[in-house]
Amino acid sequence: ILNVEQSPQSLHVQEGDSTNFTCSFPSSNFYALHWYRWETAKSPEALFVMTLNGDEKKKGRISATLNTKEGYSYLYIKGSQPEDSATYLCAFRANNNDMRFGAGTRLTVKP
Amino acid sequence: NAGVTQTPKFRVLKTGQSMTLLCAQDMNHEYMYWYRQDPGMGLRLIHYSVGEGTTAKGEVPDGYNVSRLKKQNFLLGLESAAPSQTSVYFCASRKYTSGNTGELFFGEGSRLTVL
Repeated sequence: ILNVEQSPQSLHVQEGDSTNFTCSFPSSNFYALHWYRWETAKSPEALFVMTLNGDEKKKGRISATLNTKEGYSYLYIKGSQPEDSATYLCAFRANNNDMRFGAGTRLTVKP
Repeated sequence: NAGVTQTPKFRVLKTGQSMTLLCAQDMNHEYMYWYRQDPGMGLRLIHYSVGEGTTAKGEVPDGYNVSRLKKQNFLLGLESAAPSQTSVYFCASRKYTSGNTGELFFGEGSRLTVL
């Protein structure tokens, strides 16, 4: 069973706050861990694809880390802006190319 | 470059009717996926394909069939629609990369309502 858990379910922060979310996934049969950003009325768009234990990726104010041995990844947003408001999804890829998503963390950034 | 295109975008069916959703990608991607999105449940994998002529079951395959006769197209069929299949359906594709770094590219979604 490929359970992918994300926490928290939702988060409300003030503009300028830094925040982070967690994605937990099976620690066996790991091939890749993806993070996607999903704005309302749009399609999900990829932020990061991570494949190696200890990977750290950064794109502007957003960064992510990966621990495949314990089965978790963190997504960090530094200095949140209202335009960061979206649902952030993680997806676990097993070695048979099956890709399972977590339920997402809905972030709301208040001006 | 159209990317991933889903048709139709909206459909209303009566219980027991059949229909097919078409996903087409013009990026020559090897892998294609069908997901359904329901409130509070994220994206759940229905079926996927790792290449032309091959399909595999995902997390919630019951009540759906798929076919990948051409590399660029992945069809999702509902033989006898049920109200529980009311959902938004997303297709996605991914390119094979030797480093497993290929990301998913999504279509715009198809909203299906079964009465």
